[in-house]
Amino acid sequence: DTEVTQTPKHLVMGMTNKKSLKCEQHMGHRAMYWYKQKAKKPPELMFVYSYEKLSINESVPSRFSPECPNSSLLNLHLHALQPEDSALYLCASSPRLEPHAGKQFFGPGTRLTVL
Amino acid sequence: AQTVTQSQPEMSVQEAETVTLSCTYDTSESDYYLFWYKQPPSRQMILVIRQEAYKQQNATENRFSVNFQKAAKSFSLKISDSQLGDAAMYFCAYGDSWGKFQFGAGTQVVVTP
Repeated sequence: DTEVTQTPKHLVMGMTNKKSLKCEQHMGHRAMYWYKQKAKKPPELMFVYSYEKLSINESVPSRFSPECPNSSLLNLHLHALQPEDSALYLCASSPRLEPHAGKQFFGPGTRLTVL
Repeated sequence: AQTVTQSQPEMSVQEAETVTLSCTYDTSESDYYLFWYKQPPSRQMILVIRQEAYKQQNATENRFSVNFQKAAKSFSLKISDSQLGDAAMYFCAYGDSWGKFQFGAGTQVVVTP
């Protein structure tokens, strides 16, 4: 199994809703990532999880909170989002975070719309 | 902080022809990786090619090859024998020694029959 899966594929939510995005990989990778991508823009790193340690892009607002229940699963909890948070949310994984970690494998993304 | 610059918002190429996408980056590190990712309309990010900074030999992957100029901090992608399926947004990415990525703004490749 050489893929990263993400659910749901599409999500529409109101500003008062609480929802979660799920990302899973079964490649034994030790590092997982969340990116946000607006249309026609490059992905922007939000969070990195590696060896149970979380690294945060400090510009990410607290209404986004990641959770890593185990080494193959990474969730992104959403609460009180704003319309400008509408974007494609990409999950990625890589074998490890240490030097010479190599490439990242990306999931298909979740298209999020906040009304 | 590292920056990655792709100065070509869009490039057009005819089928079977060759197109070269440019990418420059800025870093003070000596150990890093460079990547080209392709993102078709499905928006799935697909790795095209990877280059380790410590390797002088340019990476190749079938019809895709890079011209890596470390001193100039340049990393261009050449697509040979272009096919309709090559049409996509292409992102140049810098990966530091800890596996964190910085992407360029992207170049849209249009392939015409």
